[in-house]
Amino acid sequence: SYELTQPPSVSVSPGQTTSITCSGDNLGAKYACWYQQKPGQSPVLVIYQDTERPSGIPERFSGSKSGNTATLTISGTQAMDEADYYCQAWDISTRVFGGGTKLTV
Amino acid sequence: EVQLVESGGSVVRPGGSLRLSCAASGFTFDNHGMSWVRQVPGKGLEWVAAINWNGGSTGYADSVRGRFTISRDNARNSLYVEMNSLRAEDTALYHCARDALYGGYDYWGQGTLVTVSS
Repeated sequence: SYELTQPPSVSVSPGQTTSITCSGDNLGAKYACWYQQKPGQSPVLVIYQDTERPSGIPERFSGSKSGNTATLTISGTQAMDEADYYCQAWDISTRVFGGGTKLTV
Repeated sequence: EVQLVESGGSVVRPGGSLRLSCAASGFTFDNHGMSWVRQVPGKGLEWVAAINWNGGSTGYADSVRGRFTISRDNARNSLYVEMNSLRAEDTALYHCARDALYGGYDYWGQGTLVTVSS
């Protein structure tokens, strides 16, 4: 079955830039999405189609992809960004999530 | 306002069955594919099943294929999942989620809790 790999945890100081990676076989041929989930809340889509940001998501969130690795970058990280982040591979037959990364600010 | 409200979660014995429902409102339901995603409290997200706009195409995670059936009733703006042969490892909070037209899930329900225990 298809799998996506994320680091379990990442730490960043307020105001700094941080990145979370997501890798998977043939991810380059699929779209990557990213979700933010805070305790007790449902996930929120922050990046879709590898690089696009839904309306209402701050500009400090950006996405990129190189080969089979997608990356979520948060510039000028704020305390409110502390959350779990999940990547997802998306194509016509794939909806798999990565294991999640706990971001500590 | 888009709303997704799940219901039907409960405690069920191993080997039992359960049907979850998701009532959708605030958008044109048959314009969107829908999915079920589950999460064990304190653990990660797991995609369970997906269905396209008219129910003509469905997909399942390996962990539930053959035991779960996703369906929808566009006249009732409702999404369902029939869960059979339930196992302890199916214990989780089950969310319904709306496919964004551009990919990804842009709206999620709050979830309904399924506990499989003897």
